[in-house]
Amino acid sequence: EVQLVESGGGLVQPGGSRRLSCAASGFPFSPYWMIWVRQAPGKGLEWVANIKGDGSEKWYLDSVEGRFTISRDNAKNSLFLQMSSLRAEDTAMYYCARDGVPGASDYWGQGTLVTVSS
Amino acid sequence: QSALTQPASVSGSPGQSITISCTGTSSDIGAYNYVSWYQQHPGKAPKLILYEVTNRPSGVSDRFSGSKSGNTASLTISGLQAEDESDYYCRSHTSSSTPYVFGTGTKVTVL
Repeated sequence: EVQLVESGGGLVQPGGSRRLSCAASGFPFSPYWMIWVRQAPGKGLEWVANIKGDGSEKWYLDSVEGRFTISRDNAKNSLFLQMSSLRAEDTAMYYCARDGVPGASDYWGQGTLVTVSS
Repeated sequence: QSALTQPASVSGSPGQSITISCTGTSSDIGAYNYVSWYQQHPGKAPKLILYEVTNRPSGVSDRFSGSKSGNTASLTISGLQAEDESDYYCRSHTSSSTPYVFGTGTKVTVL
């Protein structure tokens, strides 16, 4: 069974940093693009970043470029999102997902909530 | 990259069919067949229900179908059921600086 489990969320002060993790199981992790998507409270889904299976390609939402870094450890079946210079507008539930079919994310984690507030 | 445009809400009675539109541009929906749709119940993670415009993942009801014309994609739910009451989001690949863009989301209400 494919499982994605996020962790690392919590309360962070503006300007602070946080590292999110996503533990993958039930499938061969390394071949798949992986993605982070966020959802601010009461708002819609927003793609944040994605990374190729071997880590050689990374893409970012314009508003997080330079502040967020997506990475992965294929030996540990894990995906990460290092977030720095956090702003109030980064407050959201952060989901990791697998891009397992062409142009779409077929499995999602349950999400981890990041709250940026003083 | 602006979000794709969806109606804020759509409603229908049990058994009816409803259609949700998702309007983009010639740089996203109009350029690629990588349009996907997600269902999200309150407090839950999104669930993929359609990909590549018309394809259903295994286990997804055939009451869900998709189409695309020009810069607009559509999701049709036929034989509406109470369990279909949810939020729905489209997503498309884009040729802009970011590879993906989501729609604004549509709340479906079953009357």
